[in-house]
Amino acid sequence: QKEVEQDPGPLSVPEGAIVSLNCTYSNSAFQYFMWYRQYSRKGPELLMYTYSSGNKEDGRFTAQVDKSSKYISLFIRDSQPSDSATYLCAGGGYQKVTFGIGTKLQVIP
Amino acid sequence: ETGVTQSPTHLIKTRGQQVTLRCSSQSGHNTVSWYQQALGQGPQFIFQYYREEENGRGNFPPRFSGLQFPNYSSELNVNALELDDSALYLCASRTSGGTNEQFFGPGTRLTVL
Repeated sequence: QKEVEQDPGPLSVPEGAIVSLNCTYSNSAFQYFMWYRQYSRKGPELLMYTYSSGNKEDGRFTAQVDKSSKYISLFIRDSQPSDSATYLCAGGGYQKVTFGIGTKLQVIP
Repeated sequence: ETGVTQSPTHLIKTRGQQVTLRCSSQSGHNTVSWYQQALGQGPQFIFQYYREEENGRGNFPPRFSGLQFPNYSSELNVNALELDDSALYLCASRTSGGTNEQFFGPGTRLTVL
C-alpha cells in the first residue's frame, strides 16, 4: 500500500464548476499536508499548506484535512481553463515529503 | 527574492555514465531536497541536505549522492546511470524552522539511452 493514495483521473469539468480532489494517506506520523499544482513539463507549484485538521481557504481554493480518517481534500470554486493541470497531494514531516501520483484535471471552456 | 533555479534544463546521457545536476535555492532557504519524478508519477524523495549534511534519505541506492555548498546551492550526482533513471529531477528548498513549505524549481529532464 502506498503511503499516499490519489486517483490519477483524468477529471474533466466544465468551466465554473466546483472541483473536488481527494487523497488518503496511511502514515500517522505525517505532520504537514500540501497541495501542489503542476503544469506539463514544469516544476510543482505550492498551492496550499496545512498542519492540522480543518479547513484552510485561499481565494478560490480550500484545503481540508481530516486526520481521524486520514483524508485530504482540495476544492476549487469557479474553475477556470487555466486550472487545467495535475494536482499533487503530499504529506510529511521535517525531513521527508511523500507525494501522491497526481490527479490530472481538465477544465473545459 | 529569487526562486529556485536548476540547470541544465535537459540532459541526455548513455547507460553507465555519470551526471551532475545543479540547484540554486530560493533566497534565505538553507534546506534543500531532491526528488525524482518519473513520467506519470508523483515526485519521489531522494534525500535532503541541511547545513551541508544529508539529514534524510528516501529509498534510493548509494549511486545517488549529493552536495550542499555554503551558499546553499546544491548538486545531485548519479553514477552508473540506468535506463530507469530517466525522469524529471526536482529540487525544492525551504527554511529550516517552523514549517515544511517547500518551493520547487523547474526541474532537469534526464534521458538515459
